[in-house]
Amino acid sequence: GAGVSQSPRYKVAKRGQDVALRCDPISGHVSLFWYQQALGQGPEFLTYFQNEAQLDKSGLPSDRFFAERPEGSVSTLKIQRTQQEDSAVYLCASSFYVGITGELFFGEGSRLTVL
Amino acid sequence: EDQVTQSPEALRLQEGESSSLNCSYTVSGLRGLFWYRQDPGKGPEFLFTLYSAGEEKEKERLKATLTKKESFLHITAPKPEDSATYLCAVEGGGADGLTFGKGTHLIIQP
Repeated sequence: GAGVSQSPRYKVAKRGQDVALRCDPISGHVSLFWYQQALGQGPEFLTYFQNEAQLDKSGLPSDRFFAERPEGSVSTLKIQRTQQEDSAVYLCASSFYVGITGELFFGEGSRLTVL
Repeated sequence: EDQVTQSPEALRLQEGESSSLNCSYTVSGLRGLFWYRQDPGKGPEFLFTLYSAGEEKEKERLKATLTKKESFLHITAPKPEDSATYLCAVEGGGADGLTFGKGTHLIIQP
């Protein structure tokens, strides 16, 4: 497809379970971002990749959150031992550019509900 | 720490009734201010980038303007299909990611 693809679109997890969210960015896009969007809020930055290098993970809320992009294309966001406060939409975005990060193409998001 | 405040939180207009959305920001070394549109259940869709005070960008019924402290998104003669949440975001000199506001939920009634 031509856009950013995320899967699963919806995920329900029991508290304490591990989850993995996948992002397939637009082909050739160098920059990849993960954002977390709680209900009624704007997206909040989690982490940034330039190709396979994770250059900024300052937004990850705890050490239960881990992201990777091993071959510089597909990325996975993993959340271990999920908690109720992790319930949110997780958005992936990509950009052809390095440095100017604002003109992003977002996926439709993965909605995580932790029971 | 970069901060973005958007107002109003929600706005209901009649079709054809023009108005403006506000985005106030504080940022260390503004590299860009961005407007996005977000429809329910979708990811944000890029609209505009503004880089310096005095700059203006237009797209159909939307016009974005920028000063040193705030940005406005003017909507002229809106149509029901303009209903969405409009997000403002800034990119500061020390950050790799955008700082978003909470958005303005805009409803255009026929």
